[in-house]
Amino acid sequence: SQQGEEDPQALSIQEGENATMNCSYKTSINNLQWYRQNSGRGLVHLILIRSNEREKHSGRLRVTLDTSKKSSSLLITASRAADTASYFCATVGGAYNTDKLIFGTGTRLQVFP
Amino acid sequence: DVKVTQSSRYLVKRTGEKVFLECVQDMDHENMFWYRQDPGLGLRLIYFSYDVKMKEKGDIPEGYSVSREKKERFSLILESASTNQTSMYLCASGTSGILYEQYFGPGTRLTVT
Repeated sequence: SQQGEEDPQALSIQEGENATMNCSYKTSINNLQWYRQNSGRGLVHLILIRSNEREKHSGRLRVTLDTSKKSSSLLITASRAADTASYFCATVGGAYNTDKLIFGTGTRLQVFP
Repeated sequence: DVKVTQSSRYLVKRTGEKVFLECVQDMDHENMFWYRQDPGLGLRLIYFSYDVKMKEKGDIPEGYSVSREKKERFSLILESASTNQTSMYLCASGTSGILYEQYFGPGTRLTVT
């Protein structure tokens, strides 16, 4: 069953602009993770934020978590054409076995040069 | 670097055939997972395994079985392939515990005709 839903489903921007993707989930979590998937390939882990954290940075990535609203956002600053990919949030814990990741449906990001 | 390999990138099979998808990881991870990915549905967990010879059903196990005879290898079996099993199949591995990430293989695009 789906836990997370990303918004928007698709996003198109120019190089240099910032891209923001949102994720909402339904039950309590231990942590939330973001993954990237290039077209036709496997997923790559980007960043993990624990339930007791509110914000985390990694390079050009900034993730926020609001457990009261059961939502997270991923911000990619100064985007590049190479950032073109699908981005998925995934949650761990809560009502689910803590070793299972529950994925959202993803946001397709297109960055035009 | 963690490496997860899948036996085929593309596979075409006929309805009713028995299909084996192989996955191998080289990081001594306890956990291994099989997902299928379909447009608009995101990633759905088929089966997972916490240890050798151990398996747990995911969200959509019907029509599939798995085998884990060795720690590094996790096989997905389609007992009698059907057209509705045409999909992208992704294997992943990961360590135990709540603060962990999953490492994905490149995926196998299976077409059942």
